[in-house]
This record gives sequence, C-alpha cells and structure tokens, in this order.
Amino acid sequence: SQTIHQWPATLVQPVGSPLSLECTVEGTSNPNLYWYRQAAGRGLQLLFYSVGIGQISSEVPQNLSASRPQDRQFILSSKKLLLSDSGFYLCAWSASGRAGPYNEQFFGPGTRLTVL
Amino acid sequence: AQKITQTQPGMFVQEKEAVTLDCTYDTSDPSYGLFWYKQPSSGEMIFLIYQGSYDQQNATEGRYSLNFQKARKSANLVISASQLGDSAMYFCAMRPLRGGATNKLIFGTGTLLAVQP
Repeated sequence: SQTIHQWPATLVQPVGSPLSLECTVEGTSNPNLYWYRQAAGRGLQLLFYSVGIGQISSEVPQNLSASRPQDRQFILSSKKLLLSDSGFYLCAWSASGRAGPYNEQFFGPGTRLTVL
Repeated sequence: AQKITQTQPGMFVQEKEAVTLDCTYDTSDPSYGLFWYKQPSSGEMIFLIYQGSYDQQNATEGRYSLNFQKARKSANLVISASQLGDSAMYFCAMRPLRGGATNKLIFGTGTLLAVQP
C-alpha cells in the first residue's frame, strides 16, 4: 500500500531564516506530487506540482521554491522566510499519466509552520 | 476560470440527523471531476467521495452521498446519521478531466461542521 510522509510535523522559525520541508511517498512509482498551503481558517492553495524528477511547476509567485531530487521525494524550501509564509503545508500525491476519471489525491499529515 | 464556492463557513447538526454541505462550481471544461475531502482538527485531508461530470447517478459512499445537479453546477455533500466524529472541516474540490497529467485540484474555502450530542 502507498503511504506519504512529511516532516517535520511542526516548525517555528524566525523571519529571515531558511526553510526545508520534506515529503516522501512509498509504494508507488513516478507519482505526481503537489505542495499546498493552507492559511488559518482558509482553503488549500496549490503552490507547486511535479510530474517527474526535476520537473517543477509553480502556481503562484512567492518566496518559496520546490525541488524533486528523487522520484518519490518532494522538497519545499525558502532562503529567507517571511511572516506571511506561516501556515499549514500539505504534500499530496496522485497516480501519474493521463488523469483518469477518479485518480484522487492522497495527502500527507502536513507541517504546521509558524514564522515569528 | 475555474472556481469552487462553499457559502457556508460553519454548520451545526444534531447527532443522528442528516446535514447538507453546499458546493457550487464554475468551469468551462466539458468534463470534470468533483471531490469532497474531510479535514479533522489533526489536519490530515481525507478523501470522501467523487462525482464525475458524466456520471449518470449520484455518487454514494456509506453515509456520504453527493447531490449532483449539473445544470445548476452544484455538488452538495449529504451526510446521513451524523456522528460526533464527523465534526471537521469539509472541502469541495474540482479538476478537469481533459488530457494532461497534472491532475491539479481546485479547492473551495471549506465548511466547518460541528456535530452536537
């Protein structure tokens, strides 16, 4: 069966510090991978998605970047955090290839980031 | 442009009663999929139910059913026999089914459901 891991679970960082959040998927090959951010009391905003190693698409201009160094590893980074980067970050995966009728996204447990 | 609208920020329901969570959508894609996710206080997103735009019947999954009205562009989630464990945030989401591998989902802002004993 497939599982998705995220770490750390919670993080408190000062403004201007770097960030690295990691997401790994087990039990599947060549998944589509996604990073979402959820501000407090808000919906999910898609930040990045990847359909393969080294292939990253950005959805919104921002202070963050993403990388996919391995097939099942997705990393969210920042060189200098802003207060507005605080939020709940969720990684998700779905099966690759043409989107079938179902093909739902499966989410990780999330990372709660507080920038002070 | 694609958009999901959930007009109910919060809902209350008595335990064992049914509740309907509203979702309307806007899309120019001829075929699309609609999803509902549950997010408990722990933060994880749990997939509940899926409806394809060309499906003839409304989707059902246990106590969850989807009241799909294509002409009105609505996909309301119905939870029957509410349980205390149903208290959570509920998100409606959509993605086009046209060719392409990205499978990007567009989410609504969510409805916070509180089940009262």
